[in-house]
This record gives sequence, structure tokens and C-alpha cells, in this order.
Amino acid sequence: GQNIDQPTEMTATEGAIVQINCTYQTSGFNGLFWYQQHAGEAPTFLSYNVLDGLEEKGRFSSFLSRSKGYSYLLLKELQMKDSASYLCAVMDSNYQLIWGAGTKLIIKP
Amino acid sequence: IAGITQAPTSQILAAGRRMTLRCTQDMRHNAMYWYRQDLGLGLRLIHYSNTAGTTGKGEVPDGYSVSRANTDDFPLTLASAVPSQTSVYFCASSDSTAGGELFFGEGSRLTVL
Repeated sequence: GQNIDQPTEMTATEGAIVQINCTYQTSGFNGLFWYQQHAGEAPTFLSYNVLDGLEEKGRFSSFLSRSKGYSYLLLKELQMKDSASYLCAVMDSNYQLIWGAGTKLIIKP
Repeated sequence: IAGITQAPTSQILAAGRRMTLRCTQDMRHNAMYWYRQDLGLGLRLIHYSNTAGTTGKGEVPDGYSVSRANTDDFPLTLASAVPSQTSVYFCASSDSTAGGELFFGEGSRLTVL
């Protein structure tokens, strides 16, 4: 079956760096997405990786290793507003998105 | 720019009743999707439409139906609601069926008693 694994919850300190991991097993691969979802709100797009390597976008970076079925989202200079759930999703060979359950990130002052 | 609008935002419904969740987008996106989100689970695809006039079944389609009469509207209907359909429902759209970013509506919180 198809599976996306990510930690349920993580805690980090304001100003610090946190890495949220995502491992996947899917039928084919057509890209990996990260979305941010604040409590009670809709998910919003953060990043898309289809080739191996690191994509940097401001304070957020996303890394992909297709051979290892692994990605991470790196958040630098954490701010209180970064408290949210982070959703990892993989597009399979049929261009269907398979979603992880999300990682709830708690930022402490 | 509205993006995607869902209605209602919240609804309590008696089991056995029929309910339609509305979704309208103004981005002229071809692809539209309905997901449900339950605690501890990832977003699960209910139905999708790659273009006006076509629809397809997702991972959890039973008990739900959709239609896509035009590009902008993609309503989701529960013919006879059951308590297991209590969930938060998100409508989303994309300008590509092959890897594009999804734009989500604000969600509809449905409680079936």
C-alpha cells in the first residue's frame, strides 16, 4: 500500500531551527509537496520538490532524496506564527496526491 | 480576488438528511477536488474533476456524489448523511492535473448526529 510517515508533533523554541521529516512509499513518484495548515484554517502551499536536492525559499527549505523515499522541511529563525501543522504529500504515478497525517509544530517562547 | 469559496462554513445535520456542500472558484482552474480531513488522518480524496463535464472517484467516494456542470462550480452531495461523515470538508482547485499547487477553500465543518 501507499504510505506517508511524518512525526505527529514537534516542539521547538522561537528563533531556533527545526527539521520535519517525511518518509514515503508510493506507487510511482511525480513530486512531493509541503503545505502549512494553521488550526481551523485551510492548507496553504509551501514547496514542491521533484528532483533530488534542496529548495530554499526564505526561512523555509525543503529537501528530497528519491532513492531513500525521504524529504524534510527545514524552518529557520522560528517565529510564533510558524506554530501550525505541516502536511507532506506525494503525487503518485496516477497524479493522485497521497497525504501524510501532518506534523503539529508547537513553538515556545 | 475570492479564490475558492465554500458554503456553508459549518452545519449540524440529522442523520438521514440530504446535504449539499457548495464550492465555487474564480481562478478558471480546470481541476477541482473534494477532500475530507479527520483527526489523526491525512487528507482523503472523495471525488475529483479534471475538467468541466467529467468527474472521478477518489479514495473514499461512498455516500458522496459530485457534479461539474461548469468550470467554476463543484458541489458535493451527501444523499443520506451518516454520523461517520462528520468531518471537515475542503474543496480545492489546481490549474494542472499533473503536479500543480492546490488552492484550498476555507473548509466546511459538518456534524452529523
